[in-house]
Amino acid sequence: AQSVTQLDSQVPVFEEAPVELRCNYSSSVSVYLFWYVQYPNQGLQLLLKYLSGSTLVESINGFEAEFNKSQTSFHLRKPSVHISDTAEYFCAVTRNTGGFKTIFGAGTRLFVKA
Amino acid sequence: EAGVVQSPRYKIIEKKQPVAFWCNPISGHNTLYWYRQNLGQGPELLIRYENEEAVDDSQLPKDRFSAERLKGVDSTLKIQPAELGDSAVYLCASSLNSGITDTQYFGPGTRLTVL
Repeated sequence: AQSVTQLDSQVPVFEEAPVELRCNYSSSVSVYLFWYVQYPNQGLQLLLKYLSGSTLVESINGFEAEFNKSQTSFHLRKPSVHISDTAEYFCAVTRNTGGFKTIFGAGTRLFVKA
Repeated sequence: EAGVVQSPRYKIIEKKQPVAFWCNPISGHNTLYWYRQNLGQGPELLIRYENEEAVDDSQLPKDRFSAERLKGVDSTLKIQPAELGDSAVYLCASSLNSGITDTQYFGPGTRLTVL
């Protein structure tokens, strides 16, 4: 069985400051890893994903996440946040063998203050 | 390109009443998912369709929940009778195929309140 833990339920940060949203997972098999973002009154959107290859993956709006197999983590970072980044961020894992199911974390609400 | 469409966006009912949610996936997407998102939690899969076949309904409470995807396009999720604990956001998502790496596209959800 796999599980996902997002260590912070809320992260308040000032505009232009760096931010890290933490995600740890557990699984007995290899997994694929995802970050989704949910803006107010909108559906979840895929932000970035790790499938294989380089452990550092980037999104088009300046976020990046690094897959760390030894620490079973996939933390999301951005060096300088904007007000428009205010949203809820969900980490998710999908195992890559024997049928699949995507398991989501509980979410981290990022609140960017002016 | 239109996204995943869900209706209604909000629904308030009294317990023991029936309720139905409708989802229209992105055109051409073969795989459709229904998730339930409780307050303060991430989405949890209820059922996954590949075309018109339900290939994973292990988390669907079959005593009161039912779903269908006739003709492999639109889908309806029904609860009868609804209970207080069913209050949640019900999300529909679709993907082009059923591969693990196929991106899921989510609709805005239906927020159900059971009084």
